[in-house]
Amino acid sequence: QQQVKQSPQSLIVQKGGISIINCAYENTAFDYFPWYQQFPGKGPALLIAIRPDVSEKKEGRFTISFNKSAKQFSLHIMDSQPGDSATYFCAASLRYSTLTFGKGTMLLVSP
Amino acid sequence: EAQVTQNPRYLITVTGKKLTVTCSQNMNHEYMSWYRQDPGLGLRQIYYSMNVEVTDKGDVPEGYKVSRKEKRNFPLILESPSPNQTSLYFCASSLGQGGLYFGPGTRLTVT
Repeated sequence: QQQVKQSPQSLIVQKGGISIINCAYENTAFDYFPWYQQFPGKGPALLIAIRPDVSEKKEGRFTISFNKSAKQFSLHIMDSQPGDSATYFCAASLRYSTLTFGKGTMLLVSP
Repeated sequence: EAQVTQNPRYLITVTGKKLTVTCSQNMNHEYMSWYRQDPGLGLRQIYYSMNVEVTDKGDVPEGYKVSRKEKRNFPLILESPSPNQTSLYFCASSLGQGGLYFGPGTRLTVT
């Protein structure tokens, strides 16, 4: 049973455009929702995270939108750049337990 | 520099030959974990450890062993590797919930 569903699997966006990646979760007890960014040949790195008591968190060009009632959260990358081309993973966890990851989205930002 | 290190980075071995992948972190993190990454399947947790001498199974523990005798080290042991364990392996650590620091990965091929 997959507890975190991520879409799309891959995404191509033009430079300067907005990249949007969506995740849906099943366990309403999850209380921590991070996004990780992975470049080829590297380990994933924490990009931005949100807790369910807020609906939006912004860090630079990256924004998480959180909809508790719909059990969905999304990553928005504004003014997407070729350097943002990477694989993005959403994840969720319950209190101090382990993270459950989505299957990942390969983002390609075309010049 | 705060980091998680893994060795070896690349390994080609044959079926049945025991191997160990080492993992070490210098951040005094209590939580450590192993993941495998396969195309289309994302990151799946193998084992995790909340603290020294405390380990527990993740989603895909079959065929793997771990030990946590010291806080900084968390080796992954494959007693009798099989071709279906060919994968990219990541070790990760964190102080508390969610903010995982990943190592650079170990690419294992079992023939």
